[in-house]
Amino acid sequence: GNSVTQMEGPVTLSEEAFLTINCTYTATGYPSLFWYVQYPGEGLQLLLKATKADDKGSNKGFEATYRKETTSFHLEKGSVQVSDSAVYFCALSGDTGRRALTFGSGTRLQVQP
Amino acid sequence: DGGITQSPKYLFRKEGQNVTLSCEQNLNHDAMYWYRQDPGQGLRLIYYSQIVNDFQKGDIAEGYSVSREKKESFPLTVTSAQKNPTAFYLCASTGQINQPQHFGDGTRLSIL
Repeated sequence: GNSVTQMEGPVTLSEEAFLTINCTYTATGYPSLFWYVQYPGEGLQLLLKATKADDKGSNKGFEATYRKETTSFHLEKGSVQVSDSAVYFCALSGDTGRRALTFGSGTRLQVQP
Repeated sequence: DGGITQSPKYLFRKEGQNVTLSCEQNLNHDAMYWYRQDPGQGLRLIYYSQIVNDFQKGDIAEGYSVSREKKESFPLTVTSAQKNPTAFYLCASTGQINQPQHFGDGTRLSIL
């Protein structure tokens, strides 16, 4: 079945540092890939997406490239802010029957001033 | 603005009691989902529905029940058979296959 593996957290960075959160996946066919962000006590918000190989999703300074050859979708940001502190989830949508997402376990990011 | 509304935000359950979590969407989405989130873990699928009057079990359906009488509504009942119900519950919806899901703000359920 489908699966998503994320790097374990927490990831602690200083403000303006470079961020990478690794995500790799196992899936049949050609899934779409997503990054979601969850702030404390809230639901998930879509951060960015990519629907085919070599697509780059971007939003609010975050980027991720769909790499089919390495089955990866790593999240990057060049300069993090304190307001970026949250939990980040990588997910894929490849289950055409359920249309459900398969989520990674989440990575908590803590940005210190 | 279109979105998903979950209520209540916090809910407490007594032993032997059933409780119902509400989920309403005005996005005109066909498919709706319920997920459970435990601390430090990802989301696990409880139930899903792709059309009115039809729903299927997800990966952890035991102790839960749902109904889908209207397109906009997908309530989740946590029954007394669910022995470890303390968690954060998230409702989501989507339109087309491979499109992102939209999430509500969640309901936190605790045991009294």
